[in-house]
Amino acid sequence: QKEVEQNSGPLSVPEGAIASLNCTYSDRVSQSFFWYRQYSGKSPELIMSIYSNGDKEDGRFTAQLNKASQYVSLLIRDSQPSDSATYLCAGTGGFKTIFGAGTRLFVKA
Amino acid sequence: DAGVIQSPRHEVTEMGQEVTLRCKPISGHDYLFWYRQTMMRGLELLIYFNNNVPIDDSGMPEDRFSAKMPNASFSTLKIQPSEPRDSAVYFCASSPRDRGPNTGELFFGEGSRLTVL
Repeated sequence: QKEVEQNSGPLSVPEGAIASLNCTYSDRVSQSFFWYRQYSGKSPELIMSIYSNGDKEDGRFTAQLNKASQYVSLLIRDSQPSDSATYLCAGTGGFKTIFGAGTRLFVKA
Repeated sequence: DAGVIQSPRHEVTEMGQEVTLRCKPISGHDYLFWYRQTMMRGLELLIYFNNNVPIDDSGMPEDRFSAKMPNASFSTLKIQPSEPRDSAVYFCASSPRDRGPNTGELFFGEGSRLTVL
């Protein structure tokens, strides 16, 4: 099993809808979890971090963590075309940050 | 702050040549990371430093790859000799002491796109 797994997509949603991105992780990655956004040709940028079970909200973004199921998700409410990007799920373990392959999101105007 | 600065932004070279990528982390950040990104393998951690000391280089693919951090404001990643399969985008990232590797909050440079012909 890969340490961090994501569906590569693409995920396509209409403007204004909720985009739901999912990620699972192995026992080797179990401390802290992150969502990074990467626009085409650009570097990853951190948008959300979550350290404990439950939900964490920041503006239109909500991160959800379920350690029992080893599952992390990111919800984007009121999706905008500017949200179109690749979203990378990441986790830490052993002083390393390990990234998933990323999910490509397209928001159609 | 200027952010993490990488050079060159683009490098095209021929197989067998030496390639040196450079990185200047954000001032005051104690951790520096080198990642490689390809379509096939995603974003892979190659090596990271803490206070200029290499801590984990288990991601370095082969002896052809080496990395140094002679001081707190400069790091290099060298490939010698280069091969076509080394073609990728190489990212440098840094993190401050109170938000180290366990927090995963990394600040990335713009990357160096390497093409080996």
